[in-house]
Amino acid sequence: DVKVTQSSRYLVKRTGEKVFLECVQDMDHENMFWYRQDPGLGLRLIYFSYDVKMKEKGDIPEGYSVSREKKERFSLILESASTNQTSMYLCASSAPTGPNEKLFFGSGTQLSVL
Amino acid sequence: SQQGEEDPQALSIQEGENATMNCSYKTSINNLQWYRQNSGRGLVHLILIRSNEREKHSGRLRVTLDTSKKSSSLLITASRAADTASYFCATGGSYIPTFGRGTSLIVHP
Repeated sequence: DVKVTQSSRYLVKRTGEKVFLECVQDMDHENMFWYRQDPGLGLRLIYFSYDVKMKEKGDIPEGYSVSREKKERFSLILESASTNQTSMYLCASSAPTGPNEKLFFGSGTQLSVL
Repeated sequence: SQQGEEDPQALSIQEGENATMNCSYKTSINNLQWYRQNSGRGLVHLILIRSNEREKHSGRLRVTLDTSKKSSSLLITASRAADTASYFCATGGSYIPTFGRGTSLIVHP
């Protein structure tokens, strides 16, 4: 089975800190995604990547950046954390066998910015 | 932008009853997927239905797709307390799956 691992289950950071959220998948998937999930708003796409060193903005990229230096790893970076970035962050991956093939999700990182 | 919207937002039923939730979307799709999320966890893929399919089954799950109405429904038969979760539909005309806000299902024992 595909495994998508997010490095932290819970994270507490201070306003202004630089925050790294790490995601690793073990099935050689080309596509990787970062979503944030807030109550009443569902999942919103932050960034996605089709290949190593490639990235595309999603619906809400402001305040975030990403890095994909290796195929299996997709990192989300909060350059200067703010309280409105308190949220559940979900990483996902998929194989490029066709449009919208199913996503495999990590368990999520609940980030609190104080 | 959210393509799919689930309805109802919340559903509360007794164990053994059927649960039906709906998804409406706006633009043409290649396929539609349903996911489940237990509280505080990641999403798990349940079923994918392609645009040329009308109905699909997987265990106690039945999914229908009506492309003329741009809508889909997920039916869970003989629900169990363990089915308590949030359910999301995901759609997209390109590579990028977009999710609705989800239906929160509570199944009372």
